[in-house]
Amino acid sequence: GAVVSQHPSWVICKSGTSVKIECRSLDFQATTMFWYRQFPKQSLMLMATSNEGSKATYEQGVEKDKFLINHASLTLSTLTVTSAHPEDSSFYICSARSLAGGSQETQYFGPGTRLLVL
Amino acid sequence: GQNIDQPTEMTATEGAIVQINCTYQTSGFNGLFWYQQHAGEAPTFLSYNVLDGLEEKGRFSSFLSRSKGYSYLLLKELQMKDSASYLCAVSDSNYQLIWGAGTKLIIKP
Repeated sequence: GAVVSQHPSWVICKSGTSVKIECRSLDFQATTMFWYRQFPKQSLMLMATSNEGSKATYEQGVEKDKFLINHASLTLSTLTVTSAHPEDSSFYICSARSLAGGSQETQYFGPGTRLLVL
Repeated sequence: GQNIDQPTEMTATEGAIVQINCTYQTSGFNGLFWYQQHAGEAPTFLSYNVLDGLEEKGRFSSFLSRSKGYSYLLLKELQMKDSASYLCAVSDSNYQLIWGAGTKLIIKP
């Protein structure tokens, strides 16, 4: 099956610092990657859709200047949380869309990154 | 508006069968996905339906009726490790996934 990795899996940082999270599709090319955030016992919340070589599309209420997304290649997207604050502490999950042919476009998820801002 | 409905929580017994329903109203339809998410982990892909009917994959089966806007995930021979949240998601006309809130499945011995 399609494998997506995320790095780091855990990060603890001080308030005001920036944190970069990498998402890689290991065995397939992903023209589109998605960034989600999930708070404890809550649903997945889509933050932004990232297409290779173009600007990300952010969901309503997500600050594009705070959550910088770069999708530089067909296998790598990065999310940078700038000037992180405690309220940004969450579980950040990326997914990559595999074009499996026909109309099936399955999203495969990375293992997630837990961010704790002190 | 777009809407995905699924029960918040279900309880079943080890070895039994459970059916998790999902109804949807979306702008366009390009398939319905089921994902499993264990506590503290990312979702993993279970199944995809785009045509009406039943798709069987081992102990798990997924059914779709497009005319009714309805799907279900059927889990047979339940095991304790099946305790997880099950997420229903529909791909809309723009191939964006619209997510349900998930159904927490509790398996009791």
